[in-house]
Amino acid sequence: GQNIDQPTEMTATEGAIVQINCTYQTSGFNGLFWYQQHAGEAPTFLSYNVLDGLEEKGRFSSFLSRSKGYSYLLLKELQMKDSASYLCAVMDSNYQLIWGAGTKLIIKP
Amino acid sequence: DTEVTQTPKHLVMGMTNKKSLKCEQHMGHRAMYWYKQKAKKPPELMFVYSYEKLSINESVPSRFSPECPNSSLLNLHLHALQPEDSALYLCASSQEGLSGANVLTFGAGSRLTVL
Repeated sequence: GQNIDQPTEMTATEGAIVQINCTYQTSGFNGLFWYQQHAGEAPTFLSYNVLDGLEEKGRFSSFLSRSKGYSYLLLKELQMKDSASYLCAVMDSNYQLIWGAGTKLIIKP
Repeated sequence: DTEVTQTPKHLVMGMTNKKSLKCEQHMGHRAMYWYKQKAKKPPELMFVYSYEKLSINESVPSRFSPECPNSSLLNLHLHALQPEDSALYLCASSQEGLSGANVLTFGAGSRLTVL
């Protein structure tokens, strides 16, 4: 079966760095996405990785290792507004998105 | 215009009612999606339209009926729903249909409550 695992909840301090991990087992691989979702709002796109390595976009970076079935989202200089759920999603061989359950990130002052 | 617009934002309906959710995008995207999301769960794919044709129906009960009148509009017709259908219904669009690097742009969602 297809499976995506990410921690249910994480807590971090304002101004610090946090890494949210995602491991996956899917039927084929056509890319991995990270989305941010604030409570009661729609998911918004953060990053896309299809090749191994690190993609940096401002305070957010995303890493992929296809051989390990592993990705992480790194958030630097945390701000209170970063409190949200972070969803990892993998596009399988049929170009369908398989979603993880999401990681709720709580930022404390 | 880089938005997906959904109406209504909130809908309360009885089990015998007929209602519709509407979704609109003017980004020239060729694929549109309906997702259902329960609290603290990831989005669940319901339907995909690609170039105005239904390409994916994830075994959704017939009480949900999608319609794509044109490339910018997507409707979800609701009839004889059950209380367990209460959820956030998200519309999304993407530039192409089933392809890599397929970034979804989501609407703000329609929160449905079935009494």
